[in-house]
Parts: sequence; C-alpha cells; structure tokens
Amino acid sequence: DAKTTQPNSMESNEEEPVHLPCNHSTISGTDYIHWYRQLPSQGPEYVIHGLTSNVNNRMASLAIAEDRKSSTLILHRATLRDAAVYYCILGDQGGKLIFGQGTELSVKP
Amino acid sequence: NAGVTQTPKFQVLKTGQSMTLQCAQDMNHEYMSWYRQDPGMGLRLIHYSVGAGITDQGEVPNGYNVSRSTTEDFPLRLLSAAPSQTSVYFCASSYRTYGEQYFGPGTRLTVT
Repeated sequence: DAKTTQPNSMESNEEEPVHLPCNHSTISGTDYIHWYRQLPSQGPEYVIHGLTSNVNNRMASLAIAEDRKSSTLILHRATLRDAAVYYCILGDQGGKLIFGQGTELSVKP
Repeated sequence: NAGVTQTPKFQVLKTGQSMTLQCAQDMNHEYMSWYRQDPGMGLRLIHYSVGAGITDQGEVPNGYNVSRSTTEDFPLRLLSAAPSQTSVYFCASSYRTYGEQYFGPGTRLTVT
C-alpha cells in the first residue's frame, strides 16, 4: 500500500489560510487522495478527496500536483474549531484507507 | 438519520474473555469497515466489507472476526481478548468504496 508523508505538526493563526502538505511519491494511477481530520476524543471526519483535478468543497480545497506525487489541503480561513489532526490518505478503489501519523494543526487566536 | 452508531461506548474485559462490538448504519451504505486506534497513533484497518456476505482482512486482522449478514450491521468479535487489544475501535461506512467514509463515535476497550 502506498504511503504518505506529512509534517508532524503545524501552527496557524486564526482567520489566516493554512496549507497542509502531503507527499505521496509512490501513488498509483488509481489511488484517490483523501483528507480526514480528527478532533480530540472523536472519530475521524471526512474533509475532501480527489483523484487528479483540484477539488473544492465548503470545508476546504485540495490542490493536487500535476504528477500526483504531492498534494496540499487548503483551509481558507482557519478557526479555533479547525485545530485537529489532519490525515492525508491514499485510498484504492476497494475502499481501504491506510492512515499515517497525520499533522497536528494548532490554531492560535 | 442516526448515521453510524457503535455500542458499547466503553468496555473493560479480562484477558481471555470474548465480546462483540456492535456497529450499525442507517444510510444504506454497502461499504463498512473497522479500525483500531492506539494512543498517539493513526487508525489501522482491521476488517472491511463491500456488501452483505462479503468481508476481507485489513492490516491487523489477527484476533478479530467479522460477519456481514445485513447491509446495516457489521459486528466485530474479539475471540479471546488480550491486553494488546486495548484500544479505541472505530466503525465506518460509505456509499461507494472510494467515497466519503462516515465514522462512528468509537468504542474504548480496555483489556486487563
């Protein structure tokens, strides 16, 4: 299974944009790039996913490099409620999500 | 919709005991899965199912059994609990295998 590499932690200021990077150099052509986040003592929450093109939804944007070996999750205006562990995951079409360690995002007021 | 529900929320077992963690979803999702999360770690896939009657192993299946007799339910059975199975267990479901997965609130299991 292809793996992802993320920074262990990042800090952001409230109301500023946040760019969370992810490297996935061994991605296969059929792997989807998923992002989930997990708040303390809760189950993971879906953020966004994509295959090749950039994606936008109400929570975030996903920018995928042209060679698909890296991607960036963009939170346009961080709030205190966005403080969480963010997981970048490669999922095959069979649905298996292999989680890594994730990036712990802290948001300063 | 209740979404994904898990019972119990907390459980303490003695080594060697068996139990079943319940997971149910009311969204008519075909895909369901079980993960465990140890302290400070990411989630690890235990077993998954792409539909009623079909199950397969994930990363860490040893010591666990699953069955999927209905679309709604996907119970996880611990055959003979060990302290290494102390963890938080999450169930998830999705409409498509590669789509958005909905996670339950988790079951915190302690094996002494």
